[in-house]
Amino acid sequence: GAGVSQSPRYKVAKRGQDVALRCDPISGHVSLFWYQQALGQGPEFLTYFQNEAQLDKSGLPSDRFFAERPEGSVSTLKIQRTQQEDSAVYLCASSLDTSGRWDTQYFGPGTRLTVL
Amino acid sequence: AQTVTQSQPEMSVQEAETVTLSCTYDTSESDYYLFWYKQPPSRQMILVIRQEAYKQQNATENRFSVNFQKAAKSFSLKISDSQLGDAAMYFCAYRGYYGQNFVFGPGTRLSVLP
Repeated sequence: GAGVSQSPRYKVAKRGQDVALRCDPISGHVSLFWYQQALGQGPEFLTYFQNEAQLDKSGLPSDRFFAERPEGSVSTLKIQRTQQEDSAVYLCASSLDTSGRWDTQYFGPGTRLTVL
Repeated sequence: AQTVTQSQPEMSVQEAETVTLSCTYDTSESDYYLFWYKQPPSRQMILVIRQEAYKQQNATENRFSVNFQKAAKSFSLKISDSQLGDAAMYFCAYRGYYGQNFVFGPGTRLSVLP
């Protein structure tokens, strides 16, 4: 596609509900990243995939957060039993990531999650 | 762990004037990459400019240039001839040579006054 897309753009959940956030990276991009951006702050790293392999999940804040990319393209970030502190914008980024170290990350528009 | 600091939460500039946004970082690595991203109110992050740490020459992209001071671990962004469309949040980001993810600063909100 022309860019990284994310859906839904906005999600309101009641505390305790499970949510699933979707990311469609740029076609052919090997690397995919998830970031969490709290209001008024910079994005914070959550997890990273290279193709279908999740190579780094050190940023996931708890075991309620789970991400997958089963076919190496679309990725889903799932949050179980949502809490109010999960309210944030969740950004997805992808990069071509061949042999170059340069690879620029291209970001999607984000999903704004509000937990009531 | 690497950290990125942006000491100016908000800045403003008159249209057509020049503004400089500050960024400092902390790392023990010798090779790394630095980036400035812009995030307009629409929320989509857009790459503005990037710099390789082993290059002494400062990167330039049209009206955007950086002042990279490796010893001081400083990476400021200069915007010349500011335009109304430059109004946005600006994030400084660090990526280690062997790392994949970015470490972002807290951002600077830039307003452009007509």
